[in-house]
Amino acid sequence: DAKTTQPPSMDCAEGRAANLPCNHSTISGNEYVYWYRQIHSQGPQYIIHGLKNNETNEMASLIITEDRKSSTLILPHATLRDTAVYYCIVRVGISSGSARQLTFGSGTQLTVLP
Amino acid sequence: EPEVTQTPSHQVTQMGQEVILRCVPISNHLYFYWYRQILGQKVEFLVSFYNNEISEKSEIFDDQFSVERPDGSNFTLKIRSTKLEDSAMYFCASSGQGVGTITDTQYFGPGTRLTVL
Repeated sequence: DAKTTQPPSMDCAEGRAANLPCNHSTISGNEYVYWYRQIHSQGPQYIIHGLKNNETNEMASLIITEDRKSSTLILPHATLRDTAVYYCIVRVGISSGSARQLTFGSGTQLTVLP
Repeated sequence: EPEVTQTPSHQVTQMGQEVILRCVPISNHLYFYWYRQILGQKVEFLVSFYNNEISEKSEIFDDQFSVERPDGSNFTLKIRSTKLEDSAMYFCASSGQGVGTITDTQYFGPGTRLTVL
């Protein structure tokens, strides 16, 4: 799976958009970009994933550049409860019966400030 | 909304004792995983399980560890003889809604904090 690079920490004011970048310049054509977050030693929480197109769900938006070498996770209106470590993970999808691991890096510690 | 559950939330044991950590994956999922996180460190993959056998395992998952799906709902991680360095949060995850699934979104449980004294 391709390696990802994220800034170690970011701050964001409550109510503002949080934009978390991720570089994955060695991504392959069949690799997806996944975002998870972990709030203070709780289990990692799935946020969103995408292959090529931008994606949006109730939690966040994912913007993937046209060359797919980087992406941005956007939390449109950050709240204090969004303070967490955010992980960008690149991995292949599955088409056969193999259970592929997720490889977690150090992620970005997002602190939402009141 | 379906979720992965884990018991106990906290387990304290003496070094050398056996522990079993339990997980109930999301009911229609086919793939199951264990990860661990030592305090202050990254989340590390231990093992994945599909079709009643281990699919992948990491170097951490040595002979002291075993996994089992004893019935249709539980997924367990056994550590045969615990060491001090096994103290960590252990997370169970599940994924996969059937043949033809393209992506493999893993959903994690809340974790079991294992403390080895």
